[in-house]
Amino acid sequence: ETGVTQTPRHLVMGMTNKKSLKCEQHLGHNAMYWYKQSAKKPLELMFVYNFKEQTENNSVPSRFSPECPNSSHLFLHLHTLQPEDSALYLCASSQETGPADTQYFGPGTRLTVL
Amino acid sequence: AQSVTQLGSHVSVSEGALVLLRCNYSSSVPPYLFWYVQYPNQGLQLLLKYTTGATLVKGINGFEAEFKKSETSFHLTKPSAHMSDAAEYFCAVSGRGYNFNKFYFGSGTKLNVKP
Repeated sequence: ETGVTQTPRHLVMGMTNKKSLKCEQHLGHNAMYWYKQSAKKPLELMFVYNFKEQTENNSVPSRFSPECPNSSHLFLHLHTLQPEDSALYLCASSQETGPADTQYFGPGTRLTVL
Repeated sequence: AQSVTQLGSHVSVSEGALVLLRCNYSSSVPPYLFWYVQYPNQGLQLLLKYTTGATLVKGINGFEAEFKKSETSFHLTKPSAHMSDAAEYFCAVSGRGYNFNKFYFGSGTKLNVKP
């Protein structure tokens, strides 16, 4: 596989469930990102990892817990979510976290919280 | 104030017509500028980017954008629309004048191409 992959592509969960989103990049990049894309709102940066270390947490509620075991894999652990958390969650990667570094996006996970 | 503004959440053009999608940034210092495209059920894909040098940037699929410092703009154009161009387009900024390493995305413009 090439590029950035995300699983699952669709997820429906109840407010009391615990689930995880997975992202994998096959580009040899050092930086990985989680974004939230909601209808009629700009893309919201959630977390940034560089060389497995978290460098940015954009005031994300603790019900979202990221994990980056290595530079190729990124997880987003979800628990006790709210209906307003329903959105498309996008993973991205870039060579470094520099401002000119192109970010490459996965296809996203469409999350619905009931 | 928004870091980047895309005028028009929806734009509709006829096949073969000029495509013009507008993007303005708010920094007084020229930032790095990007255009991304998102097709249905897919992630974002880079169309083109401006960092330094020539202000007219050519991208994939026949798109280009011109950085105009005096207008703080980076509008995206394509001379002749194709049905396959129907998608949502996002302008983004980073770097100088912003939180340096963060990307700020516009709200997006959905392009509809009529046959």
